Amino acid sequence: GAVVSQHPSWVICKSGTSVKIECRSLDFQATTMFWYRQFPKQSLMLMATSNEGSKATYEQGVEKDKFLINHASLTLSTLTVTSAHPEDSSFYICSAGTDSIREFFGPGTRLTVL
Amino acid sequence: AQSVAQPEDQVNVAEGNPLTVKCTYSVSGNPYLFWYVQYPNRGLQFLLKYITGDNLVKGSYGFEAEFNKSQTSFHLKKPSALVSDSALYFCAVRDKAAGNKLTFGGGTRVLVKP
Repeated sequence: GAVVSQHPSWVICKSGTSVKIECRSLDFQATTMFWYRQFPKQSLMLMATSNEGSKATYEQGVEKDKFLINHASLTLSTLTVTSAHPEDSSFYICSAGTDSIREFFGPGTRLTVL
Repeated sequence: AQSVAQPEDQVNVAEGNPLTVKCTYSVSGNPYLFWYVQYPNRGLQFLLKYITGDNLVKGSYGFEAEFNKSQTSFHLKKPSALVSDSALYFCAVRDKAAGNKLTFGGGTRVLVKP
């Protein structure tokens, strides 16, 4: 149980386009979903926390207009990278939680912006 | 603010030998501590957690970790390493007093040589 999926697993796009990444909890309802960013050989950095039906809470330094997060249901959150540029290329990982203790992580999405 | 330190960027160990990956933390309240493993281009896999109770926590794949409050450490151990244990390991802490966010250490790459 407690499986989290992400789609797509990898995406290549041209500079200036927008990319949407989906995060789904497959067998449980997630009250909270988290979005992380991981640069090569670095740790995970929390970008934002989203609760179903409410606006996401962004970490300091993360542009909310650049990284749009929607958490429309208890099983789906989306991250849209708007007007992507090469510096947005990264590994994006989502996680989902049902309580305040444990998070279940998705497999990640590798974004490459040309 | 909470923080996690993994002092070793890489740990090399021969197959069959004991493996230790170090982690120290800093929180203002009582910590929830976690270890995750990440294989290339994959999300994080949960290994074990400490919430309360027995200081020695046993987890997946033969791993265990010992919570040491006086030394604020939570080192990950495995008595006999396997080549398949070669991966990137992350220690993380959650502190309810700090907004319940999960903060990761920088990661330690483990290389188990046959």
